[in-house]
Amino acid sequence: GIQVEQSPPDLILQEGANSTLRCNFSDSVNNLQWFHQNPWGQLINLFYIPSGTKQNGRLSATTVATERYSLLYISSSQTTDSGVYFCAVDSGGYQKVTFGTGTKLQVIP
Amino acid sequence: DARVTQTPRHKVTEMGQEVTMRCQPILGHNTVFWYRQTMMQGLELLAYFRNRAPLDDSGMPKDRFSAEMPDATLATLKIQPSEPRDSAVYFCASGLILDGLITGTDTQYFGPGTRLTVL
Repeated sequence: GIQVEQSPPDLILQEGANSTLRCNFSDSVNNLQWFHQNPWGQLINLFYIPSGTKQNGRLSATTVATERYSLLYISSSQTTDSGVYFCAVDSGGYQKVTFGTGTKLQVIP
Repeated sequence: DARVTQTPRHKVTEMGQEVTMRCQPILGHNTVFWYRQTMMQGLELLAYFRNRAPLDDSGMPKDRFSAEMPDATLATLKIQPSEPRDSAVYFCASGLILDGLITGTDTQYFGPGTRLTVL
């Protein structure tokens, strides 16, 4: 099946810093999504981005489908950005969704 | 403030017992997803429904798991019989997907999850 790798696995940032999280996938995909899980376990769907660039506040994401990667940018990080960021890809509609293992982000004051 | 609700929030049961988890999607959403999260397997999509019809449940162990939407306000996930390896957090999410197109940045709203422990 499709492989999804996220890097880095762990990241510690000072509040106010910027960061880039990466998601590599091994095959062509129809959909790609980014999720955030806060330290209390709540999941939030951040972006649906099979290709191109989207922005939502301090977050933006870019997917280069032809090169099989996606990037999540976090600017001016805040302590509330802490948690785990997952990317998930789907190679055949919404079924057969494969999640990456996540990037654990800690933003310190 | 519309949100997805899940009940129960926590469930401890013994191996072999039936477990039913419930989800109330956000009113007006036409798509419901069930996910499972474990330390070993991470996040997995189990099944999803569009307009109450199951579109795919290939992620779900068929012999013991079943997912249904008896009406637009209720989705259920049942495990019978339960096994210790089913211990996990089960998340429900709902979203609005029209004509197969996803618009906007946030396509799914997640419930708080049901933490299941099978002894």
